[in-house]
Amino acid sequence: QQQVKQSPQSLIVQKGGISIINCAYENTAFDYFPWYQQFPGKGPALLIAIRPDVSEKKEGRFTISFNKSAKQFSLHIMDSQPGDSATYFCAASKRSGGYQKVTFGTGTKLQVIP
Amino acid sequence: DAGVTQSPTHLIKTRGQQVTLRCSPKSGHDTVSWYQQALGQGPQFIFQYYEEEERQRGNFPDRFSGHQFPNYSSELNVNALWLGDSALYLCASSFPGQDEQFFGPGTRLTVL
Repeated sequence: QQQVKQSPQSLIVQKGGISIINCAYENTAFDYFPWYQQFPGKGPALLIAIRPDVSEKKEGRFTISFNKSAKQFSLHIMDSQPGDSATYFCAASKRSGGYQKVTFGTGTKLQVIP
Repeated sequence: DAGVTQSPTHLIKTRGQQVTLRCSPKSGHDTVSWYQQALGQGPQFIFQYYEEEERQRGNFPDRFSGHQFPNYSSELNVNALWLGDSALYLCASSFPGQDEQFFGPGTRLTVL
């Protein structure tokens, strides 16, 4: 059972545009929502993360918007650059007994064209 | 400061064989998690180790087992390999009680 649904599967954006990736979750016990960026042949790298008591978090060109009632969150990449071309994963985690279990979305392949 | 390191980088095995993958966590981290990432998919949580014990486990069969050593490094063992085990295996480390995880570059396992 997939607990984190991510869309779109792929995205093409022109340089300077806004890239938007959406995720939805089912389990209300999730309490940490990170976004990862992965380049081919590399491991995922943490971009930005949010907790459900915050509706928005911004770090540089990256913004997470979080809607707790709708159980949805999204990543916005402002002024997208060709170097942002990568696969992006949303994730959600919950703690049980103090230990973390992370569920990832299926990924969005972003291509930023000049 | 070295990040998370994994070895080997690539590995080719045949069905039925056993494999051991290794991970050294980021300096200062003592919690290690393992993930399986099939081609075109998101990482799937296998298990998490802290203080040399398995603390959390995902939906993976007992063929997948692990170990954590006193220096916090970790091994992932997979027995009775089958074609579906072909994937990128990722290791991530974190401080205990901290949600931020740092990933290694992964080990690409191919089962023929």
